[in-house]
Amino acid sequence: DAGVTQSPTHLIKTRGQQVTLRCSPKSGHDTVSWYQQALGQGPQFIFQYYEEEERQRGNFPDRFSGHQFPNYSSELNVNALLLGDSALYLCASSSGQGAQPQHFGDGTRLSIL
Amino acid sequence: GEDVEQSLFLSVREGDSSVINCTYTDSSSTYLYWYKQEPGAGLQLLTYIFSNMDMKQDQRLTVLLNKKDKHLSLRIADTQTGDSAIYFCAENEVNTGKLIFGQGTTLQVKP
Repeated sequence: DAGVTQSPTHLIKTRGQQVTLRCSPKSGHDTVSWYQQALGQGPQFIFQYYEEEERQRGNFPDRFSGHQFPNYSSELNVNALLLGDSALYLCASSSGQGAQPQHFGDGTRLSIL
Repeated sequence: GEDVEQSLFLSVREGDSSVINCTYTDSSSTYLYWYKQEPGAGLQLLTYIFSNMDMKQDQRLTVLLNKKDKHLSLRIADTQTGDSAIYFCAENEVNTGKLIFGQGTTLQVKP
């Protein structure tokens, strides 16, 4: 039973560039949430996708956008990268919309130079 | 707004019990969670408790929920060196899929 998978595992970008991170949910899950975890902090909610639409959004600027595909996989896009975007980006999947237990992938470590 | 707080560090001896505490503010949370994060890894869902429960036991793990005081604890019995990690408490924002995390408690297990 495949868990949540994310790619790539590590990424280095420079300021002003754009990045796309990918996530495949756990088998049987149809909802994907994205979180940003800065060093030494707890994860912060970016947004959640269900039925290919953004359902909830955290306090992140419009530079952060996403997409969900018919097979439930998801992408996180970040434009005009800033140094402060350096973080571990975590994808979580769950079943159905709303309050359900979320299972996390190992994340993508994004470093901005 | 919602807030989740945890103490930052706990050190125990191998074989002892560990108790990690958490306080939260959203009394209408549906679920409360404990996640474990090892170095360089993502978050592993350890256990969760539904808000209408007081206690949940799962092998070496015991979760206690005091809704009146908005206090959640995780007890790990017979703590092992492999339990060394960062433990996060999280609550669900009511009726949404948003998880609100604490800052994490680093558990150090000494042999």
